[in-house]
Amino acid sequence: EPEVTQTPSHQVTQMGQEVILHCVPISNHLYFYWYRQILGQKVEFLVSFYNNEISEKSEIFDDQFSVERPDGSNFTLKIRSTKLEDSAMYFCASSTTSRGLAGFFGPGTRLTVL
Amino acid sequence: DAKTTQPTSMDCAEGRAANLPCNHSTISGNEYVYWYRQIHSQGPQYIIHGLKNNETNEMASLIITEDRKSSTLILPHATLRDTAVYYCIVRGYSGGGADGLTFGKGTHLIIQP
Repeated sequence: EPEVTQTPSHQVTQMGQEVILHCVPISNHLYFYWYRQILGQKVEFLVSFYNNEISEKSEIFDDQFSVERPDGSNFTLKIRSTKLEDSAMYFCASSTTSRGLAGFFGPGTRLTVL
Repeated sequence: DAKTTQPTSMDCAEGRAANLPCNHSTISGNEYVYWYRQIHSQGPQYIIHGLKNNETNEMASLIITEDRKSSTLILPHATLRDTAVYYCIVRGYSGGGADGLTFGKGTHLIIQP
């Protein structure tokens, strides 16, 4: 069964450092998403991406964040200068339709900012 | 997007049907009802969605009331592996791009052996 993969599974970084989280969506999917979940809190939508551009973004997704689909298979989330409060599980998702039907989520990357 | 209300937690005996309610009294005509679940520390998993009609797939059934103000997710024969947080999400289609989902706190369903 096809699946969304994410690497690394756990990333530890120092405050102020840049991090890039990697995702490989399911190959025939066209819509891509990043979500995050701070420990013990709700899953929060960050950004959606379609046709090589951002479709929608939340208030969390400020200038410190960016997304890219560099080579037609990978989908990355970059945080330019990490803060302690960026520590969270980051989930990538992809879907074949645009109706928020992010039917396939990846296993997540746990980001720890020290 | 319409607000949803779900019980914080529910218990169900293994092998019985688990019925998870969701209220969405402010739902508008073009908004779908989605159900996802999240097993501890894993990524959310899509279960089912619907607009007006009842829906069934290999995982669950979705019953939407005629006025669409509430719905019930039914897991017909719950197993221990169904222990998870279940999210009811209402989302309209903005048209064109990719629409994100807003997750609430959901219902923590605990299947008892």
